[in-house]
Order: sequence, then C-alpha cells, then structure tokens
Amino acid sequence: DAGVTQSPTHLIKTRGQHVTLRCSPISGHKSVSWYQQVLGQGPQFIFQYYEKEERGRGNFPDRFSARQFPNYSSELNVNALLLGDSALYLCASSWGLAGLDTQYFGPGTRLTVL
Amino acid sequence: DAKTTQPTSMDCAEGRAANLPCNHSTISGNEYVYWYRQIHSQGPQYIIHGLKNNETNEMASLIITEDRKSSTLILPHATLRDTAVYYCIVRAGTNAGNNRKLIWGLGTSLAVNP
Repeated sequence: DAGVTQSPTHLIKTRGQHVTLRCSPISGHKSVSWYQQVLGQGPQFIFQYYEKEERGRGNFPDRFSARQFPNYSSELNVNALLLGDSALYLCASSWGLAGLDTQYFGPGTRLTVL
Repeated sequence: DAKTTQPTSMDCAEGRAANLPCNHSTISGNEYVYWYRQIHSQGPQYIIHGLKNNETNEMASLIITEDRKSSTLILPHATLRDTAVYYCIVRAGTNAGNNRKLIWGLGTSLAVNP
C-alpha cells in the first residue's frame, strides 16, 4: 500500500515569493496535518484538516494557509516567503481526528528560501 | 511545550539492545505515550504507542512504569539502520481540542556503532 506522498521533494524560492506544497494521504485516511521542522528542532504543528474543514491551527502567521480537497489530499500555501520559512515541511495523515488515531508521515518537502 | 524529557544522545553497539528512556511525569490518565523516529532528513516513522500496559510489535517494545510517569523504548537487536532521532510524545486519546496535534521535543539522537 502507498504511504503518504508529498510533492515536490525539494524546492528553492526567493524571499517574497509564494509556494504551494502538496500531500496525498494514505488511502482511507480522512485527516491531514501539516508540520514545519526547522533544522535541529522537532516538528511544529501548523494545521490539521478533516473532511475538508480546518480542525486545528498552530502558532503560525496568516501567510500560511491550507486546504483539503474532496479526495482528502491537501495543499499548504505560504505567501511572502521569508528566509526563516526554510524548513522541512511534513504532512501526516490519520484515519480520523481522535488523539488515538496514529499519524503517519510523508517524506517531507525541503523548502529553501534564498 | 513538550510534555516529555529525553536524553539528548545515546550510543549503542550493533546487535545489542537499545533502551531509550522518556520521562513524562505530568501525564494524564487519558494520555497515550507515542514513539516516533526520524532518520536524517526523512519523515518521522511511527514505532509504537501505549497507555498503561507494555506493548510489543515487530519494531520495538514499550515498557511503561506502573505510575506511568516514565517509559522505555526497547530496540531488542539494534542495527546500523536504527541510527536516528527518537521522539517520545504524550497525546490524549480523546477527540477534543489540542489533542489533535503532536507536540514534539528535541528527542534522543541514537547512534548505533559497529
């Protein structure tokens, strides 16, 4: 079975640009979460979506937005990129919303902002 | 803030058991202990989780103390491929509020040596 997939694998942007990252969850999973991981730190929660609705938001500025599509795939958008947005962006999928539902992670998208 | 504390780094000889400790002294009755690992620059990999009983799967064993204030992840026969950062996370099993996100600390960097 396919796991969580993310695209692109790597991305290089310049300050002020916009970026869209994509995630496809494990088949049957209805929830997608996004995390940002800066080098040397643990992942930080950005968003969680379930059934196309935002169900959780971390402490990130409004430049960060996301959405979930009817097929449960998701996009993370970041506007007006800053150097500090350089990070590994991780997508995780789970069957549902319960804290007991195990989250499975994709390989991540490495974003470099120059 | 993360609700767990882990040693920053550990070493283990190949073929020996790796025992990774985690303190979660403020754990609540409905919170599970989750373990993930992250091999350099890859997405986190789910290992195991438990509530109060010891758990075992094909990857590892999880030993939770009777008072649930600490736990140990055991890799019975560590290999070089087990070299990774190991994260211990506590997470409520219910469906409410902030329980939906994983809160990560800095984890333990495990080096398996030949």
